[in-house]
Amino acid sequence: SQQGEEDPQALSIQEGENATMNCSYKTSINNLQWYRQNSGRGLVHLILIRSNEREKHSGRLRVTLDTSKKSSSLLITASRAADTASYFCATDRYGGSQGNLIFGKGTKLSVKP
Amino acid sequence: EADIYQTPRYLVIGTGKKITLECSQTMGHDKMYWYQQDPGMELHLIHYSYGVNSTEKGDLSSESTVSRIRTEHFPLTLESARPSHTSQYLCASSNMQTGSGETQYFGPGTRLLVL
Repeated sequence: SQQGEEDPQALSIQEGENATMNCSYKTSINNLQWYRQNSGRGLVHLILIRSNEREKHSGRLRVTLDTSKKSSSLLITASRAADTASYFCATDRYGGSQGNLIFGKGTKLSVKP
Repeated sequence: EADIYQTPRYLVIGTGKKITLECSQTMGHDKMYWYQQDPGMELHLIHYSYGVNSTEKGDLSSESTVSRIRTEHFPLTLESARPSHTSQYLCASSNMQTGSGETQYFGPGTRLLVL
C-alpha cells in the first residue's frame, strides 16, 4: 500500500521563487528521504532526515519532518530552471526489510525562466 | 552520477518475446533493487536482493524473475512479454554495510514498450 503521498501533484513557479512540496505518510518510520527525477531518467538522492530530527539543510534545500503529523516538507529556495523535475519522498518501513523504501507519487515541479 | 548502468535504455518488442534487462553497478553495493514505474506515477518495488544468491519479491506482483550470481550484476528477465509489461524499469543499489545504507542509487532506467 502507498506510504508517502506528495502534495501538490504539480507546481509551476517562476525562476527565483521558492518551491514547497509536502509529503504525508501513514506508518512509523526510521527516516524519510527526498529524491529528484529528471524526465526519463533515474532518481537522484537529495537529502535524508531521521525520525529524531526536525529540520535539515543542504544548499538551497530545506527539509522538515513532523512525526506527530506524519508529514514532511521540502523547500527549494531561489529556484532555477534546472530544478524542473519530479520530486519524490520515500520512507522506510519501521520493522520492515532493512533498506526497502516506499515512494510517493511525486510532485512535478516546473520552473519557468 | 551514480556508477550504476542499465541496458538497453529503450526496448520495443513484440508480444511473447523473452527479454532480459541488464543492471550493473561498480560501487560494490550488496543490496540491489528493481522498480517498475509508469509515467508520472510512483515507483513500485518488484524485486530485491541482499547479495549473491539472494532474491526476494517486492511489493508489486510481477511476472518477471531476477538472478544474482555476481555482486555487481542483477538482471531482470521476462519469459514472455505482454503489452501490460509496458513501463519503465529502474534498477537501484545501496550499501547496507555502512551507516548510509538507506540511500539508494539509481540507474537511468529502461523504457520497455511491448506491442
